[in-house]
Amino acid sequence: GDSVTQMEGPVTLSEEAFLTINCTYTATGYPSLFWYVQYPGEGLQLLLKATKADDKGSNKGFEATYRKETTSFHLEKGSVQVSDSAVYFCALIDRNTGNQFYFGTGTSLTVIP
Amino acid sequence: DTGVSQDPRHKITKRGQNVTFRCDPISEHNRLYWYRQTLGQGPEFLTYFQNEAQLEKSRLLSDRFSAERPKGSFSTLEIQRTEQGDSAMYLCASSFSLQAGGDYGYTFGSGTRLTVV
Repeated sequence: GDSVTQMEGPVTLSEEAFLTINCTYTATGYPSLFWYVQYPGEGLQLLLKATKADDKGSNKGFEATYRKETTSFHLEKGSVQVSDSAVYFCALIDRNTGNQFYFGTGTSLTVIP
Repeated sequence: DTGVSQDPRHKITKRGQNVTFRCDPISEHNRLYWYRQTLGQGPEFLTYFQNEAQLEKSRLLSDRFSAERPKGSFSTLEIQRTEQGDSAMYLCASSFSLQAGGDYGYTFGSGTRLTVV
């Protein structure tokens, strides 16, 4: 079945450091890929998405490229800020059905000044 | 349309009580989903509706859980005889049933946080 595996946390970085959170997926169909962010006590916010191979999703300085050959969708940011501290979830849905999301377990990021 | 609305935002209940949550989807969306998120985990799919029909239920949805979507608009999720293990964030989402740019227009609500004491 479909699944997502993402890098275990927590991750602690200094402000302006480079961020990478790894995500790999398994899908029987042809998935669309997403990164969601969750701030303490809140729901999920869509950060970025890519719906086909080689697409790059980007938002607020974050980027991720859909790599079909390595079944990966790693999240990167060149210079993190304290306000980026949150939990990040990698997720996929099957483009053919759109029935449900499959989420990774989340990676907690703390950015210190 | 302001997005997917969930009510209440927080609910504290005693073990053994029944609770009901409500979700109002984006009006143009004909699919509605429920997910559960426990502490330190990603959301897990519970069930979804297309219009008023409940098309899929996860094995996570025990007999104490029931979801309805009368008239294909808002949905309710009821948990009977709550247990401490039911403490979680319950997320609702809605979408189109046809692809809209490859993501079906999937939109999550802010969730209802349930604490069973």
